[in-house]
Amino acid sequence: DAGVIQSPRHEVTEMGQEVTLRCKPISGHDYLFWYRQTMMRGLELLIYFNNNVPIDDSGMPEDRFSAKMPNASFSTLKIQPSEPRDSAVYFCASSPGGGKEKLFFGSGTQLSVL
Amino acid sequence: GENVEQHPSTLSVQEGDSAVIKCTYSDSASNYFPWYKQELGKGPQLIIDIRSNVGEKKDQRIAVTLNKTAKHFSLHITETQPEDSAVYFCAAPQGASGTYKYIFGTGTRLKVLA
Repeated sequence: DAGVIQSPRHEVTEMGQEVTLRCKPISGHDYLFWYRQTMMRGLELLIYFNNNVPIDDSGMPEDRFSAKMPNASFSTLKIQPSEPRDSAVYFCASSPGGGKEKLFFGSGTQLSVL
Repeated sequence: GENVEQHPSTLSVQEGDSAVIKCTYSDSASNYFPWYKQELGKGPQLIIDIRSNVGEKKDQRIAVTLNKTAKHFSLHITETQPEDSAVYFCAAPQGASGTYKYIFGTGTRLKVLA
């Protein structure tokens, strides 16, 4: 398996623009997670899905952030409008049986909002 | 909620020496404790984990110990090699069974000096 695939690897945008991050989880994994990593706050869980259904989005910082999982092989994290403080590395991870088991992380998307 | 503290934030060791990283957690209901290794430009990767029904687990040069009474767990790397240089994160679930929300430690940057 190719692992969790995220795109793009790098995204540079201007404040106010819409940003869409994409993730393809490992086939057969029932859980998908979106994390954000910054120097100040470390690794933060934003939202996670079970069988394409959002289970907990309490980590989503504001209404500007939204996430969808239209099918088992694809998820998006959207920021609209983007702000400089959204600059971070965003990771997608998947797990076969939930967070108590191994998380498989993608390589992340480095987002820079100017 | 769960609070995870990790120490030290940086650690330098000579090649061949041992390295120890410690984490404390606050939620006594937590029962699963993974350790992740993150190399530059990559997502975190699980290297070892332990469940609360055991006190120690080993995998070649890596071991994890758990003290549930004191609510702390440690990562031990023996015979360190340059390729062990990375950032290491501990994590603990926010709650007991059925939760998939992990609180990550702030990370330890390990440098193995050749």
